[in-house]
Amino acid sequence: DIQMTQSPSSVSASVGDRVTITCRASQDIRVWLAWYQQKPGKAPNLLIYAASSLQSGVPSRFSGSGSGTDFTLTISSLQPEDFATYYCQQANSFPYTFGQGTKLEIK
Amino acid sequence: QVQLVESGGGVVQPGGSLRLSCAASGFTFSSFGMHWVRQAPGKGLEWVAFIRSDESNKNYADSVKGRFTISRDNSKNTVYLQMNSLRTEDTAVYYCGNGIYYMDIWGKGTTVTVSS
Repeated sequence: DIQMTQSPSSVSASVGDRVTITCRASQDIRVWLAWYQQKPGKAPNLLIYAASSLQSGVPSRFSGSGSGTDFTLTISSLQPEDFATYYCQQANSFPYTFGQGTKLEIK
Repeated sequence: QVQLVESGGGVVQPGGSLRLSCAASGFTFSSFGMHWVRQAPGKGLEWVAFIRSDESNKNYADSVKGRFTISRDNSKNTVYLQMNSLRTEDTAVYYCGNGIYYMDIWGKGTTVTVSS
């Protein structure tokens, strides 16, 4: 199975900051990667798919990059509603797997 | 309005069974693959199972293989998760999501508690 490792596990930042979250796959997954945002008590929300494609309706301050084993999610200017937990997910091969999550907290 | 609504969760003893349902509306259900994903209390997301639009392919996480079965009824716009031989570690909120590779639309989840 493909292991997905996110870093950091948590990060503190302020409104307006630029934040980058990293996701590393244990083997080459090409661009078969998605990013999700989850707020407490809510279902996850798809932000980015195919490593860098922005899901419809998602603000342009979110962007994704990478291929192979190393990927990043960048939020260019944090807004109050962005404080949440973020997960990466590989879709290269079954069983699909998620990273352990990165909790983005207010500094 | 595009939505998924899960049901069937509850409290069950270890070794017991439960069947979850996920009813879809607002999109052409028969054209989409469907997933189940779970989240244990205070933990991260765990992908559980996938079924293709025509049921030609089903895949499972190692942790549930042989115990859980995913199925669907396209005439009822519903996907199911039959869970047998339940363990305490299966306690979680179970979400359904649509898509082949990624989960675009998610339901609000249904809670399964396995406890004696």
